[in-house]
Amino acid sequence: DADVTQTPRNRITKTGKRIMLECSQTKGHDRMYWYRQDPGLGLQLIYYSFDVKDINKGEISDGYSVSRQAQAKFSLSLESAIPNQTALYFCATPISMNTEAFFGQGTRLTVV
Amino acid sequence: KQEVTQIPAALSVPEGENLVLNCSFTDSAIYNLQWFRQDPGKGLTSLLLIQSSQREQTSGRLNASLDKSSGRSTLYIAASQPGDSATYLCAVTQTGANNLFFGTGTRLTVIP
Repeated sequence: DADVTQTPRNRITKTGKRIMLECSQTKGHDRMYWYRQDPGLGLQLIYYSFDVKDINKGEISDGYSVSRQAQAKFSLSLESAIPNQTALYFCATPISMNTEAFFGQGTRLTVV
Repeated sequence: KQEVTQIPAALSVPEGENLVLNCSFTDSAIYNLQWFRQDPGKGLTSLLLIQSSQREQTSGRLNASLDKSSGRSTLYIAASQPGDSATYLCAVTQTGANNLFFGTGTRLTVIP
């Protein structure tokens, strides 16, 4: 089993719809992160969480919200999807001083 | 803000050739630097993690070096193979930040 699992892997949704992307990890890490990747822009941080009661905004949090339901689960929501949120979304754990980061396989989201 | 640059953006080499990918970063106050591999439409796989106190790390045909004072890292791939074709990303964990700062990657094609 993958260390970090994202669902769905692909999703097409319409403008204005609410959509949730889910992430679960089996590594037992406290820290979890959501990134988006756009061609030519690299990965940008959307939100991160250090534990169940801790949520922090990243560089590009506008238009997104998150929920940390448990240590192993971190969900990203688009409350009202817009076309420029079309991107590849990644969940990761952890980002720390001493350990490598593990990424999920990504969710390709298309907003039409 | 930390900026990470990777040059070249794309590279094609014949099979068997040794090659070097470059990464530079603007702020030397980092905990570590990681090299990742990304296959088209897929997630990121960590290849090597170099702590700020280290100069290099090796894994199989891969060798990564770090010169923190000059803000540079290289990824050396020996005896390249077609299966090495992918995009290679470098990222730094900055001291006091809770984020990985990514470069935009080098797309490597190894020609059989």
